Formats: sequence, structure tokens, C-alpha cells
Amino acid sequence: GAVVSQHPSWVICKSGTSVKIECRSLDFQATTMFWYRQFPKQSLMLMATSNEGSKATYEQGVEKDKFLINHASLTLSTLTVTSAHPEDSSFYICSARVRGGTKGNTEAFFGQGTRLTVV
Amino acid sequence: KQEVTQIPAALSVPEGENLVLNCSFTDSAIYNLQWFRQDPGKGLTSLLLIQSSQREQTSGRLNASLDKSSGRSTLYIAASQPGDSATYLCAVRYGGATNKLIFGTGTLLAVQP
Repeated sequence: GAVVSQHPSWVICKSGTSVKIECRSLDFQATTMFWYRQFPKQSLMLMATSNEGSKATYEQGVEKDKFLINHASLTLSTLTVTSAHPEDSSFYICSARVRGGTKGNTEAFFGQGTRLTVV
Repeated sequence: KQEVTQIPAALSVPEGENLVLNCSFTDSAIYNLQWFRQDPGKGLTSLLLIQSSQREQTSGRLNASLDKSSGRSTLYIAASQPGDSATYLCAVRYGGATNKLIFGTGTLLAVQP
């Protein structure tokens, strides 16, 4: 199946600093990428949808100025957590959908996730 | 509101037992439904994808069924093994501009050797 690579797999940063997480589709082009957040023992919550070459669409309650998303190419999307605080500590996972095919019928592939700890 | 619920939240079974995980969704106008496996601290591994026009999909010891009209899907695991221990998530894809996945609450499975 298609491979989605997420980097870094874990990161520890100081409160007030910014952290960038990368999501790459290695062997396919992804028109759309999704960013999720997962708290311990909870399910995945969609944060935003990223379309190549356009602004991301954020879910209700997600601060777009805090979670900056850039989707500059068909194989790379980045999530930057700006001015991170301890409450931003979480597991962040990206997902990519294969370009082409019938809309809605394509399978979602996920990255390995990034464990962010803000101290 | 589009919601996805999974029952049970946790399940512990002895090795070799057949088991069923349940997923229900409130809005039946789905495009497809996908079952995932998540190991602790890891990302998601796709197990099965069922299109809205399909009734079931099989892969090895796994069988997933879909009943759109009742808003339900089941994941059947045959002859469970300790290596099957993980959290199982179902996710439903709806239409609209973003075509996003809505995840269920997950079932934590422990298979005892």
C-alpha cells in the first residue's frame, strides 16, 4: 500500500517555542492531507484538511494561527505548532489520500504519528 | 451531528477465540468505512476498507461487514492471537467539500496467551 512518512516521531520542546512536523507521501501524490490530534486513550480528532496549493480548512475550535499548515507540494504537508504550551502536548497524526480515483472512494493512509511533549 | 461509536470500549479474550467488534454511525449517507489497527504510541495501520456499495470485505482472519441502513459495521477476528492485541478504530468517510474521516471511539483488545 501507499506509504506516508511523518517526521519527527517524537519531539520535546520548551514552552513558547515552535515545532514543525512534516508529512510526506513517499510513493504517491496526495492532493489532500489531513491532520489529526489524539489525546491519551481517546480517538483521533480531525484538526484540519490541507489541499495542495490552497489554504487549509480548519475544524471548529482549532486555532489556525496556532496550528499553521502548509501544503506546498503534492507530497509534503507541514504542521507548525506555534508558541507551544504544555496543553498542546499530544499525539499528532497525518493522513493522505491518493490523488485521482473516485472522490470518496479512495483509501486513507496514515503516518506513524508524532509525539509532542511541551515542557 | 455525525458520530461514530464503538462497542465494547475494551475487550479481553483468551487466545484462539473468535471475536466481534462493533461500530455504529449516526448518519448512514457514507462513502466508505475503514477499519484500522493502532498499537500503543504508534500510527494507524489500515486493515479493511468497505465501500458504501459493498456488504463485506475479508483479509486473512479478518472480516468486516457493513449495513448502511442500520448504520452498523462489525469486524470479525477469527482465531485470535496475542499479536492481535491493539486498539481497533473504525472510521467513516462522508461526502462534502473536505471528504473527511470521522473516527470511532476505539476498542482496546487484549488477547491473553
